[in-house]
Amino acid sequence: AQRVTQPEKLLSVFKGAPVELKCNYSYSGSPELFWYVQYSRQRLQLLLRHISRESIKGFTADLNKGETSFHLKKPFAQEEDSAMYYCALWGYNKLIFGAGTRLAVHP
Amino acid sequence: DSGVTQTPKHLITATGQRVTLRCSPRSGDLSVYWYQQSLDQGLQFLIQYYNGEERAKGNILERFSAQQFPDLHSELNLSSLELGDSALYFCASSQDGFYEQYFGPGTRLTVT
Repeated sequence: AQRVTQPEKLLSVFKGAPVELKCNYSYSGSPELFWYVQYSRQRLQLLLRHISRESIKGFTADLNKGETSFHLKKPFAQEEDSAMYYCALWGYNKLIFGAGTRLAVHP
Repeated sequence: DSGVTQTPKHLITATGQRVTLRCSPRSGDLSVYWYQQSLDQGLQFLIQYYNGEERAKGNILERFSAQQFPDLHSELNLSSLELGDSALYFCASSQDGFYEQYFGPGTRLTVT
């Protein structure tokens, strides 16, 4: 069965520190993976999709099929990065979300 | 603004009641998705409609149903409500299934 696992509920870092939000998936086919972000009092919005291999707001994510992971990384965290981050997998006509990780960046 | 609108923003009702949540997709988007977000279950996909037809189903209870109308707006009907149905219900839309989904602001349902 397809599944997305985000092992950390909360990740707390200081401004300027590197950030890695973990995401592991389980899917029998070729996965399409995404990261969504939800800032305080805002709607969920797409941050990254693995197929485009782009960097948004300094975040990158690499699909590692061997480890079935799609971790989100940023070398230097900013306070405005504080938000809820969801990893999601597209398969069988559905988007399956992980439980989410709350990133708190402290000054 | 992503353009997806949902009404109402908040809904408080009693157990056993029935409610209808409404979603209007972005202009040009044919697909509408419904999600339930609760503290214990996270963000769960419920159902997808594409151009009026049901396309995919997730963990949607039999007490819940949805439809998409010719003008492409969608409604999610929740009946025989239970305390555990209290959650944030999101609607999202996209051009088609694979493309970026744009989320609405959600409807917060409280069942007392």
